[in-house]
Amino acid sequence: DQQVKQNSPSLSVQEGRISILNCDYTNSMFDYFLWYKKYPAEGPTFLISISSIKDKNEDGRFTVFLNKSAKHLSLHIVPSQPGDSAVYFCAAYTNAGKSTFGDGTTLTVKP
Amino acid sequence: GAGVSQSPSNKVTEKGKDVELRCDPISGHTALYWYRQRLGQGLEFLIYFQGNSAPDKSGLPSDRFSAERTGESVSTLTIQRTQQEDSAVYLCASTVVSGGQPQHFGDGTRLSIL
Repeated sequence: DQQVKQNSPSLSVQEGRISILNCDYTNSMFDYFLWYKKYPAEGPTFLISISSIKDKNEDGRFTVFLNKSAKHLSLHIVPSQPGDSAVYFCAAYTNAGKSTFGDGTTLTVKP
Repeated sequence: GAGVSQSPSNKVTEKGKDVELRCDPISGHTALYWYRQRLGQGLEFLIYFQGNSAPDKSGLPSDRFSAERTGESVSTLTIQRTQQEDSAVYLCASTVVSGGQPQHFGDGTRLSIL
């Protein structure tokens, strides 16, 4: 029973275009959603977050959208850059601090 | 550095041996998490410490796995009688408080069981 799903294992986009990474969840008790970026042989690093009371959060080239009724969130990166190539993890948190991660999506941005 | 530190970075051991993995969280971080990442898979939650509260051990896969934390400092994850399926990267993360605060991850310990 996977509570957080990233259904696309990989995504390839051209430099300058938009990257859209998707995440679905099943537990309505999640209060926060975070995106992390991971390079090989390194730990994940925090990218952007959204509270369950919001539907959008923006930080520079990164925007996260939350659709609570559909239990779906997405990360938009625009414009995409080659340095954005990494594995992106969606993570959902309860207010008690318990976290559940998706399996990740490998993004490749081609020059 | 001021980040989360994990040791060793790599560990190769024979099946049946016990291993101990160490995590030094960021100073002042009250919450500490352990995760396991198998090859090609996501992060699997193992255990969560928050201050002096009883840890959430709901993710530990078997009684061969245990973890301890001394106050709000170092944590050790112990795997007894290792099996080949224990081969994975073990990641530690810490954060100031629980809830939706971003976790700061170490670079992990790559464990290989022969």
